[in-house]
Amino acid sequence: DTEVTQTPKHLVMGMTNKKSLKCEQHMGHRAMYWYKQKAKKPPELMFVYSYEKLSINESVPSRFSPECPNSSLLNLHLHALQPEDSALYLCASTEDPNEKLFFGSGTQLSVL
Amino acid sequence: SQQGEEDPQALSIQEGENATMNCSYKTSINNLQWYRQNSGRGLVHLILIRSNEREKHSGRLRVTLDTSKKSSSLLITASRAADTASYFCATSTSGTYKYIFGTGTRLKVLA
Repeated sequence: DTEVTQTPKHLVMGMTNKKSLKCEQHMGHRAMYWYKQKAKKPPELMFVYSYEKLSINESVPSRFSPECPNSSLLNLHLHALQPEDSALYLCASTEDPNEKLFFGSGTQLSVL
Repeated sequence: SQQGEEDPQALSIQEGENATMNCSYKTSINNLQWYRQNSGRGLVHLILIRSNEREKHSGRLRVTLDTSKKSSSLLITASRAADTASYFCATSTSGTYKYIFGTGTRLKVLA
């Protein structure tokens, strides 16, 4: 299995809602990532977990809360988001910092 | 910003022509990778070149790396309509899991 699976594919939420994005991989990868991508822009790194511990937080607002319950699963909890947070959220994983990233197909998030 | 710069921002060519896109970066790197993204979807890895390599080939793809100039280029030969996508370079620094993406090139191949 060489897939990274993200759910849901689409999400619409109000500014007072709480929702979660889910990412799963069964490749035994040690590092998992959240990226945010606006239209016609490159992916921006948000968080990196390595060995199930948060190793990189790119000064992301606290309304985004990552969680890594186990080595195969990565969540992104969303609370009190703003319309400008609307974007494609991409999950990725890698076995080794010298190797390629495997990406999920993303969650298209709209905040109303 | 640590982000790499890519040029051109957009490129439109005819099917069968070659497409070249360039990436410049700012810091010392461990490796440089190229990814393709079809509209609104996840990124797909194309090729990885390590800092001690100068050129690499994979099918219709040719990547070069010049660490003295902190730049790389991706050549797609004999392009097809299916190559229409955005292309991003990404760099990683030795010892970290941090991958930073360049600004991207939007390629359109006309049939």
